[in-house]
Amino acid sequence: DIQMTQSPSSLSASVGDRVTITCRASQSISNYVYWYQQKPGKAPKLLIYAASNLQSGVPSRFSGSGSGTEFTLTISSLQPEDFATYYCQQTYISLQATFGGGTKVEIK
Amino acid sequence: EVQLLDSGGDLVQPGGSLRLSCAASGFTFSSYAMSWVRQAPGKGLEWVSGISGSGDSTNYADSVKGRFTISRDNSRNTLYFQMNTLRAEDTAVYYCAKGRYSTSASLDYWGQGTLVTVSS
Repeated sequence: DIQMTQSPSSLSASVGDRVTITCRASQSISNYVYWYQQKPGKAPKLLIYAASNLQSGVPSRFSGSGSGTEFTLTISSLQPEDFATYYCQQTYISLQATFGGGTKVEIK
Repeated sequence: EVQLLDSGGDLVQPGGSLRLSCAASGFTFSSYAMSWVRQAPGKGLEWVSGISGSGDSTNYADSVKGRFTISRDNSRNTLYFQMNTLRAEDTAVYYCAKGRYSTSASLDYWGQGTLVTVSS
């Protein structure tokens, strides 16, 4: 099975900060990586698809990059509504998926 | 507007069974894969099962393989999850989610979740 190692598991940041979250795959998975945001008590929301494409309606301060085994989610200027938990997901094999362990972004 | 309405969660004893449902609307249901994703209390997301748009292909995480069965009724726009031989570690909020295309486990819309509690 393909494992996704996400780091850090949590971080503290201030409004306006640039934030970067990393996921590392246990094998090369091309660009089959997706990023989700989850707020407490809510369902996850898709932010980035195919490693670097912004889902419709998602603010442009969110961006994704990477290919192969290393992937990053960047928030260019953290806003109050961005405090949440973020998950990466790989879907390299059809109808299979694994999530990273999550990164909780908290207010400093 | 895409809507997914999960239901069927309940308190069940270890070894028991439960069937979850997910009623879909706002898109051509048979054209898209669907998945179930769960989240144990205070924990991260775990993808547990997926089914292709036609229903011909299914897949499961090792943690539920042989105990849970995913199915769909495209005439009723409804996804199902039959859960047998439930264990305490199956306690979680279960989300149904829509795939981005017919065989994808990347998920662009999610239900609100339904809580399954396995306890005596």
